[in-house]
Amino acid sequence: ETGVTQSPTHLIKTRGQQVTLRCSSQSGHNTVSWYQQALGQGPQFIFQYYREEENGRGNFPPRFSGLQFPNYSSELNVNALELDDSALYLCASSLGDSRLLYGYTFGSGTRLTVV
Amino acid sequence: TQLLEQSPQFLSIQEGENLTVYCNSSSVFSSLQWYRQEPGEGPVLLVTVVTGGEVKKLKRLTFQFGDARKDSSLHITAAQPGDTGLYLCAGVGNNDMRFGAGTRLTVKP
Repeated sequence: ETGVTQSPTHLIKTRGQQVTLRCSSQSGHNTVSWYQQALGQGPQFIFQYYREEENGRGNFPPRFSGLQFPNYSSELNVNALELDDSALYLCASSLGDSRLLYGYTFGSGTRLTVV
Repeated sequence: TQLLEQSPQFLSIQEGENLTVYCNSSSVFSSLQWYRQEPGEGPVLLVTVVTGGEVKKLKRLTFQFGDARKDSSLHITAAQPGDTGLYLCAGVGNNDMRFGAGTRLTVKP
């Protein structure tokens, strides 16, 4: 199956709770990146995983953490949710350095609302 | 904080008009990519530029990469309503990719 799949598509959480978002990479891709996109903004880089190790991180606090599994699927975990965490969370996969030329394949995102 | 500055932020034009979107950075990236994003979807890659001075054409879209590999532009000729969307430039680094804030284009019939 091709393409990047994210679940759930929508989620409502209460401030202070924890959330786990999931991503299945495109077949053959070993690199996964996560982005946060607030309404009307461009995506902000959270972190990148390559072969199960975090190898790049943006300006996000430690309560944003992730995992990449041997099948290259990935999770984004956010602890102690804040109202400002409400956003579209995008997962993108790529194959190593081929991303320099062929870019990333994005999922449709998870819309998280914190109330 | 955006490492890449895009302008204009919003653009509303009539069908058939031409337009140019700009992307500027103080940093040099390994490559620069342009994506288009529609509501409820993730960004979709349009083009990658790598070499300073490079020009790529994709039907009515023309992409340029500055000689210093810090700025880029996207020119659309004879815009159509189907071109409506959020256009994002992105700089690809060693272990990340950073986006600009985007240009939201509306093409009216």
